[in-house]
Amino acid sequence: NAGVTQTPKFRVLKTGQSMTLLCAQDMNHEYMYWYRQDPGMGLRLIHYSVGEGTTAKGEVPDGYNVSRLKKQNFLLGLESAAPSQTSVYFCASSIRVINQPQHFGDGTRLSIL
Amino acid sequence: KQEVTQIPAALSVPEGENLVLNCSFTDSAIYNLQWFRQDPGKGLTSLLLIQSSQREQTSGRLNASLDKSSGRSTLYIAASQPGDSATYLCAALDNNDMRFGAGTRLTVKP
Repeated sequence: NAGVTQTPKFRVLKTGQSMTLLCAQDMNHEYMYWYRQDPGMGLRLIHYSVGEGTTAKGEVPDGYNVSRLKKQNFLLGLESAAPSQTSVYFCASSIRVINQPQHFGDGTRLSIL
Repeated sequence: KQEVTQIPAALSVPEGENLVLNCSFTDSAIYNLQWFRQDPGKGLTSLLLIQSSQREQTSGRLNASLDKSSGRSTLYIAASQPGDSATYLCAALDNNDMRFGAGTRLTVKP
């Protein structure tokens, strides 16, 4: 009964390094989302996907790229990490966007030095 | 641009007290309003979802109301317990974009 699984849980990067965050869901959901959560702020949508092979920009997409090659996986990439990208990243999935709750993973805590 | 605000940022109450958490949003053209719970170091758990055509939703000791005309939603927690201690976030969905408030951190003291 895994739900939404995010890997890794913690990561420390140096400025300029690249990395990929993986999100996997086992609920056969069509929609998947990547958010970031910063202190004193609500979650902000980075990118989302409405189905396999599709991606779209959210509120704060700059500096990030995503891919949805398989329905169950949604990858978030940082090509050249910057200190401003230090945050907690959450992945979520849902059956469809309207009137269905989103299911969240436990987050990835990313620090960029 | 939709803005979602939650006041207060933190709330501390004694066990057994009934309490209300507030959420306001600036654009009434929303599809739904959701309330989430977030425990430290964890993701969000959906508590209640109110569709735009509804006025309230109830689950156990929780009751959420929605007033689109005034841009407000409230989450009522009856007979609070220490296990209710967490951060509660509301989120408004419009045009495929969910906007979150910063949350209210609730502490229920035994």
